[in-house]
Amino acid sequence: ILNVEQSPQSLHVQEGDSTNFTCSFPSSNFYALHWYRWETAKSPEALFVMTLNGDEKKKGRISATLNTKEGYSYLYIKGSQPEDSATYLCALDRDDKIIFGKGTRLHILP
Amino acid sequence: DAGVTQSPTHLIKTRGQQVTLRCSPKSGHDTVSWYQQALGQGPQFIFQYYEEEERQRGNFPDRFSGHQFPNYSSELNVNALLLGDSALYLCASIWGGGDSAWGANVLTFGAGSRLTVL
Repeated sequence: ILNVEQSPQSLHVQEGDSTNFTCSFPSSNFYALHWYRWETAKSPEALFVMTLNGDEKKKGRISATLNTKEGYSYLYIKGSQPEDSATYLCALDRDDKIIFGKGTRLHILP
Repeated sequence: DAGVTQSPTHLIKTRGQQVTLRCSPKSGHDTVSWYQQALGQGPQFIFQYYEEEERQRGNFPDRFSGHQFPNYSSELNVNALLLGDSALYLCASIWGGGDSAWGANVLTFGAGSRLTVL
């Protein structure tokens, strides 16, 4: 069974602070590592897809890194804003399946 | 450009009944995956359909079945409903050839169907 672990499960961050959270997975062959953002009452939306060791992707204040050898990915948010409040899902694309972790629920405090 | 649409949005069933959920993929997408998201869990992979056949399956019993139609739309059927089947069911589509903009398959999700089993 492929396990994709995310930590922490929940996180409260003051507006303006920066934060990061982790996705861990078996460091064996896989095709891609995905990050999705899921806002309340909306559909999950893709943030990043990474395939290579050392990949780093950035979109505005949000960035992600990938370490395939040790089996982890970090998602960073710089200068958190209220609109960053969401669940962030990590997913592994392997064996033609995309398998999700449980997510990190991020709350931005005013 | 229509995204992924799912119906119904909400439904309530009783134990032992059967339910059918429907999904229309994003325009241009030919592959549909279904996920179950129970309370406190991440989306759990149920199965994936491509070219009208089930191509991959997660760890779900045979009570969960599906279908894909020639227009790429899909149905998820659950028989003999249990209380534990109460969840949000998400449909997601991709284009099997990979998304050149992302360099890999990227899921486009619908808003989900909320199933409550009493």
